[in-house]
Amino acid sequence: GAVVSQHPSRVICKSGTSVKIECRSLDFQATTMFWYRQFPKQSLMLMATSNEGSKATYEQGVEKDKFLINHASLTLSTLTVTSAHPEDSSFYICSARDPRGEGDTQYFGPGTRLTVL
Amino acid sequence: EDQVTQSPEALRLQEGESSSLNCSYTVSGLRGLFWYRQDPGKGPEFLFTLYSAGEEKEKERLKATLTKKESFLHITAPKPEDSATYLCAVQARYGGATNKLIFGTGTLLAVQP
Repeated sequence: GAVVSQHPSRVICKSGTSVKIECRSLDFQATTMFWYRQFPKQSLMLMATSNEGSKATYEQGVEKDKFLINHASLTLSTLTVTSAHPEDSSFYICSARDPRGEGDTQYFGPGTRLTVL
Repeated sequence: EDQVTQSPEALRLQEGESSSLNCSYTVSGLRGLFWYRQDPGKGPEFLFTLYSAGEEKEKERLKATLTKKESFLHITAPKPEDSATYLCAVQARYGGATNKLIFGTGTLLAVQP
């Protein structure tokens, strides 16, 4: 149980284009999902908390107009990186809280490697 | 400010050589402490959740313990497949709010055969 998937696993795009990343909870419903970014040899930094049916909550310093989050259903959240630039290249990971499981444990997806040329 | 510090940054062990990883935290009321394992290029894999001082949890060769200021991840007789980055995260008890996790920078464990 508690399986989270992400798609795509890897994407390469040109500067100025937009990229959409999907995060799905496969065997449970998640009212809350989280989006993280991880730079090489660094830890995970929370970007935003995605709530089903309402607006996402962004962490300080994260541009909400650049990183669009939509949580349209209880099993799907999407992150769209708009007008991507090389500095947006990173490893993006989502997580979801399984309400059936142990307290507030978050289960993570496999990550999406974004490279902006 | 809530903070998580992990040590050592890197650890190299021989197969069978037991050791411990440390996670020190300062948080305004601990709601939970989490251990994850992360392999290169992959998302973190959940290992343990600890909620109160004195609590211990075990899974195969791993055992996690918690005090009021720190947590230890004990690895008994490690195998090469235990090589990974081990991440510690805490969740603070803010009045009414979020499930936000604050992560440490991790300990990179390498177990040599």
